[in-house]
Amino acid sequence: NAGVTQTPKFQVLKTGQSMTLQCAQDMNHEYMSWYRQDPGMGLRLIHYSVGAGITDQGEVPNGYNVSRSTTEDFPLRLLSAAPSQTSVYFCASSYSRGSYEQYFGPGTRLTVT
Amino acid sequence: AQSVSQHNHHVILSEAASLELGCNYSYGGTVNLFWYVQYPGQHLQLLLKYFSGDPLVKGIKGFEAEFIKSKFSFNLRKPSVQWSDTAEYFCAVNARGLTGGGNKLTFGTGTQLKVEL
Repeated sequence: NAGVTQTPKFQVLKTGQSMTLQCAQDMNHEYMSWYRQDPGMGLRLIHYSVGAGITDQGEVPNGYNVSRSTTEDFPLRLLSAAPSQTSVYFCASSYSRGSYEQYFGPGTRLTVT
Repeated sequence: AQSVSQHNHHVILSEAASLELGCNYSYGGTVNLFWYVQYPGQHLQLLLKYFSGDPLVKGIKGFEAEFIKSKFSFNLRKPSVQWSDTAEYFCAVNARGLTGGGNKLTFGTGTQLKVEL
């Protein structure tokens, strides 16, 4: 299994540009989520999904959109990037029932200038 | 909503010293508790987890943590640290039984551990 994969690893955007961060998992996990990691603030939940076709907001959803058309993929879209969205983004997945251990991807380092 | 506090933001130890990192959470219900580690330039990896049963849990690389329900704490310990333990450590809580996504993890702000030779 590849586990949780994320692309790209690094990205630089100009303010106002849009982009999609990709996340995929091959473990047949129902639950997937996106976090952003900022110095001194830990990881904060942006959006999550409990299954295909079902998404919901986390702690810091503003400026981000998600969709979940398949079990495997959970892309995160920035519609109009802002410097405040400069961060490291992690995708994670887990089974919905029983063990709640989440598996994390390698992260995407995004810089918005 | 639940919250997680990690009291030590930066810790510097010499090799072979003992380690204890504090973690307290606020949530009155049943919780699952985790410690994750992030080595420099890498993604988060699970160190250990507590769901139920023996409150003293052992994880990888000689780490252990004790769940003290009365204190809402889940402190991480290691008797003798190594240089390779230099990393950032995150405590996380999942509140069981919440509607709308019982898998949601709330993370602490992290503790940066530096182990010196």
